[in-house]
Amino acid sequence: QKEVEQNSGPLSVPEGAIASLNCTYSDRGSQSFFWYRQYSGKSPELIMSIYSNGDKEDGRFTAQLNKASQYVSLLIRDSQPSDSATYLCAVSSGDTGRRALTFGSGTRLQVQP
Amino acid sequence: DTAVSQTPKYLVTQMGNDKSIKCEQNLGHDTMYWYKQDSKKFLKIMFSYNNKELIINETVPNRFSPKSPDKAHLNLHINSLELGDSAVYFCASSPQWGRSNTGELFFGEGSRLTVL
Repeated sequence: QKEVEQNSGPLSVPEGAIASLNCTYSDRGSQSFFWYRQYSGKSPELIMSIYSNGDKEDGRFTAQLNKASQYVSLLIRDSQPSDSATYLCAVSSGDTGRRALTFGSGTRLQVQP
Repeated sequence: DTAVSQTPKYLVTQMGNDKSIKCEQNLGHDTMYWYKQDSKKFLKIMFSYNNKELIINETVPNRFSPKSPDKAHLNLHINSLELGDSAVYFCASSPQWGRSNTGELFFGEGSRLTVL
């Protein structure tokens, strides 16, 4: 059973702080890693993708991947109240042609004004 | 233009009834999916179709039957609805998996099913 684990939270941070979200996965063959943001009652939207070890930065977001430790993280700098949402970690799994994304259960982030 | 559209957005029905959800994508993608999101926000894959061919069929009761008339459409029919079927059902699409495909999913807005 391929699994993606996240702390469900809520993770509460003050406005302007750095929010750190973590994710571990079980399938060593996974090659693509994603962070989706989901506001309450809405569909998930992609905010970051990462494919190789190290850091990837996009604006206030930084994704970090460590394949040896099977660990993915998302840092949100200068957190804003509008960042309050559930963050879903997703990992690609399966053979070519049968791939799909396996999602974690999400971490709820609350940014306090 | 809506990229991935699902109808209806809300269904409220009695146990034992049959219902269908329709999904259409205008992104030109080859692969479409149905995911189920339960009350704890856990998003789990149910089915995947690539160019009208069933590729992934996870452990889903056979009361759930997907149909893909063409690669732009993927419908989900559910027979004999049960209380535990209450969830949000998301349709998604992606370009065909390959060397250049990153695996990003594009989601529809979801269809919230409530079984009473």
